[in-house]
Amino acid sequence: EAGVTQFPSHSVIEKGQTVTLRCDPISGHDNLYWYRRVMGKEIKFLLHFVKESKQDESGMPNNRFLAERTGGTYSTLKVQPAELEDSGVYFCASSPRRNIPTYEQYFGPGTRLTVT
Amino acid sequence: AQKITQTQPGMFVQEKEAVTLDCTYDTSDPSYGLFWYKQPSSGEMIFLIYQGSYDQQNATEGRYSLNFQKARKSANLVISASQLGDSAMYFCAMRDPLNTNAGKSTFGDGTTLTVKP
Repeated sequence: EAGVTQFPSHSVIEKGQTVTLRCDPISGHDNLYWYRRVMGKEIKFLLHFVKESKQDESGMPNNRFLAERTGGTYSTLKVQPAELEDSGVYFCASSPRRNIPTYEQYFGPGTRLTVT
Repeated sequence: AQKITQTQPGMFVQEKEAVTLDCTYDTSDPSYGLFWYKQPSSGEMIFLIYQGSYDQQNATEGRYSLNFQKARKSANLVISASQLGDSAMYFCAMRDPLNTNAGKSTFGDGTTLTVKP
């Protein structure tokens, strides 16, 4: 079974440009999460989809970030326009639809975003 | 709000020895899950071990065990017989409780473990 995949693995863009990150969760996983780790700090939650609906987007830093999950399959996270402080590693994770906290989240390899 | 604290930015251990990575947490929720992840230099996040708040026994997975002390709100990871491949960043995390439909995880700052030959 394929794991969570993310594309691209690394992106270098200039300040003010737009970048779109993609996440393909494990097939059948209704829950999809975005996290990021900025400047070696802790991993912070961005948002949580249940299928195509945003369950929790309390971690989205500002309106420059837009996440979508059309059809409840893959998800994209767009940063427009990118700022220097957006540099970091963006992780996607997925988990089955279970209403208990015991199920682990399966993480993707991350996308390293560098804004210059 | 939930909070995870990992007080050891870096740890060193001699190969074949055991090491304990500290994790304390803060939550007012009665039901929660605690996780440890390993992040090697390649960047992926690897699940290691899980402990439920109502579990009576400490979780174990191979060389990994979780020293769960609920009253002290600590969930330390113990790695026995360290191997060179254990060198990595380790994150302690907590999942949201039952009433948020498999919600987000809260992570600590991480501990960098270096295993010396």
